[in-house]
Amino acid sequence: QVHVVQSGAEVKKPGASLKVSCKASGYTFTDYGITWVRQAPGQGLEWMGWINTYNGNTNYTEKLQDRVTMTTDTSTSTAYMELRSLRSDDTAVYYCARGDSFTNYFDYWGQGTLVTVSS
Amino acid sequence: SSELTQDPAVSVALGQTVRITCQGDRLRSYYASWYQQKPGQAPVLVFYGRRNRPSGIPDRFSGSSSGDTASLTITGAQAADEADYYCNSRDRSGRHVFGTGTKVTVL
Repeated sequence: QVHVVQSGAEVKKPGASLKVSCKASGYTFTDYGITWVRQAPGQGLEWMGWINTYNGNTNYTEKLQDRVTMTTDTSTSTAYMELRSLRSDDTAVYYCARGDSFTNYFDYWGQGTLVTVSS
Repeated sequence: SSELTQDPAVSVALGQTVRITCQGDRLRSYYASWYQQKPGQAPVLVFYGRRNRPSGIPDRFSGSSSGDTASLTITGAQAADEADYYCNSRDRSGRHVFGTGTKVTVL
């Protein structure tokens, strides 16, 4: 049975960095990419990017590509999303999900990680 | 346009049929996937590709595509289907975008 579990809520100050983890189980981790999505309060879903868990290749949205880095640790089947130079408009729930542009769908989602950026 | 446009809100009487549309140039080349999101919950994949429904999704959910428009149809809507629905698709570079979202109200 596939499970995707994310790290807990965080509060950050403007200018700080954030790193959210996403641990997958129940399947071969390197067979599927991991996609990251965020949702600001009361807003829609925003695709952030994905990482190929087999070779580490990444594809980021142009809006965030200067501030975001996605990585994996295949030994623990865990993906990470780091976002730097945080601003108040980075306040959102961050989700990871199994899937990428090869599957063209995201079938198993984490529970979400609430990140609040506030001074 | 690189965007995916959806109607902000639709309503449907209990047991009737509702179609949610998603329009964008990238849909001429790539299929959409569809996600249901209820308040405070993570999105759930309900349809993808030409004709794929994930295990556990009721067969009242179906999808179609024509030209630059993809559609998700709920046939015999239930109270449990009241939620926000988002489409998603990729472009040639492998980047994705979500649609603007449609709030479905079951009356």
